[in-house]
Amino acid sequence: DVKVTQSSRYLVKRTGEKVFLECVQDMDHENMFWYRQDPGLGLRLIYFSYDVKMKEKGDIPEGYSVSREKKERFSLILESASTNQTSMYLCASSPGGARNEKLFFGSGTQLSVL
Amino acid sequence: ILNVEQSPQSLHVQEGDSTNFTCSFPSSNFYALHWYRWETAKSPEALFVMTLNGDEKKKGRISATLNTKEGYSYLYIKGSQPEDSATYLCAFITQAGTALIFGKGTTLSVSS
Repeated sequence: DVKVTQSSRYLVKRTGEKVFLECVQDMDHENMFWYRQDPGLGLRLIYFSYDVKMKEKGDIPEGYSVSREKKERFSLILESASTNQTSMYLCASSPGGARNEKLFFGSGTQLSVL
Repeated sequence: ILNVEQSPQSLHVQEGDSTNFTCSFPSSNFYALHWYRWETAKSPEALFVMTLNGDEKKKGRISATLNTKEGYSYLYIKGSQPEDSATYLCAFITQAGTALIFGKGTTLSVSS
């Protein structure tokens, strides 16, 4: 089975801190995604990547950056955490080549910024 | 801005009831429609990926239909069980799209 692993289940950070959320997948997937889930808003795409060192902005990239130095790892970076970035963050991956392939999700990181 | 609407937002049924939810999406330039189930404290899990108008998919007691011309999909659960309690997400992608667009989900609660 495909496994998508997010490094932390719960994280508490202070305003202004630089925060790294890590995601690793073990099935050689080309595509990786970062979403955030907020009550009443649904899953919103922050950034995605279709290849190593490649990144594309999603719907809400402001305040975030990403890094994909290796195929299996996709990191989400909060340059200076703010309270409005308190949220559930979900990483996902999918095989490359077709846009009708299902996503495989990690179990999420609940980030609280105080 | 492309939008996916799911209804109802939440519902509560008794064990054994059958139920259905709706996902509405823009019908132009359709490419694929996904359904996911997200149980509390677990990862969202794919149920179905549908691409053709008139498609019907089934997985156990859960089935889904797709109407791309009018822009909707139904998810049906027959004989709901407490383990069906979860948030059901639909998402679609257009022919020119690069990533899925998700709805806000329908949260189902099944009482025994």
